[in-house]
Amino acid sequence: QQPVQSPQAVILREGEDAVINCSSSKALYSVHWYRQKHGEAPVFLMILLKGGEQKGHEKISASFNEKKQQSSLYLTASQLSYSGTYFCGTEKWNSGGSNYKLTFGKGTLLTVNP
Amino acid sequence: GAGVSQSPSNKVTEKGKDVELRCDPISGHTALYWYRQSLGQGLEFLIYFQGNSAPDKSGLPSDRFSAERTGGSVSTLTIQRTQQEDSAVYLCASSLGSGKDEQYFGPGTRLTVT
Repeated sequence: QQPVQSPQAVILREGEDAVINCSSSKALYSVHWYRQKHGEAPVFLMILLKGGEQKGHEKISASFNEKKQQSSLYLTASQLSYSGTYFCGTEKWNSGGSNYKLTFGKGTLLTVNP
Repeated sequence: GAGVSQSPSNKVTEKGKDVELRCDPISGHTALYWYRQSLGQGLEFLIYFQGNSAPDKSGLPSDRFSAERTGGSVSTLTIQRTQQEDSAVYLCASSLGSGKDEQYFGPGTRLTVT
């Protein structure tokens, strides 16, 4: 089932902060975050795993509330380079562990203006 | 090192023709994924390969779509009897394993069915 992202779009001035939320109606084992700039391929930002483990490359922070089945991405002191569409994805494995699916939300369009 | 490559980058085809899209994953990546992104839309998961095996083909939009992966490397996505609604960007991604590993996306193939 597709996770729900909010807001759908946000416009910031450089230096402002933003929070992007991702929620699911089903139990989450992990949440993946990707950013896609216009005309480019999505780029990995972070994976948040059940139990608190996180993997990511950039100086971006995020939270994962397993009980509430929600994740939030925190963008602080935004830069022009943060502009793009942010997607969260939720995993599903079959019971045998042989099949995997990552379902993405519809995305949040972030625009950072000078 | 080399990233994920896809070919062709653009494909224009007439309705009813068959098309074949190719994906070369990063060397050593065992997991491979295909996604579809329609104009202004999110990422629609199509299929997952672990090695050469795709345990679940239910994400493929119709039986006109098929995918295979040979030698644990190159994958092809074939669309038979293309329809206008097949027009989209088809993205391929690969990862070292799956689940906890980040996906690296290719640049995509833009398919236009006239």
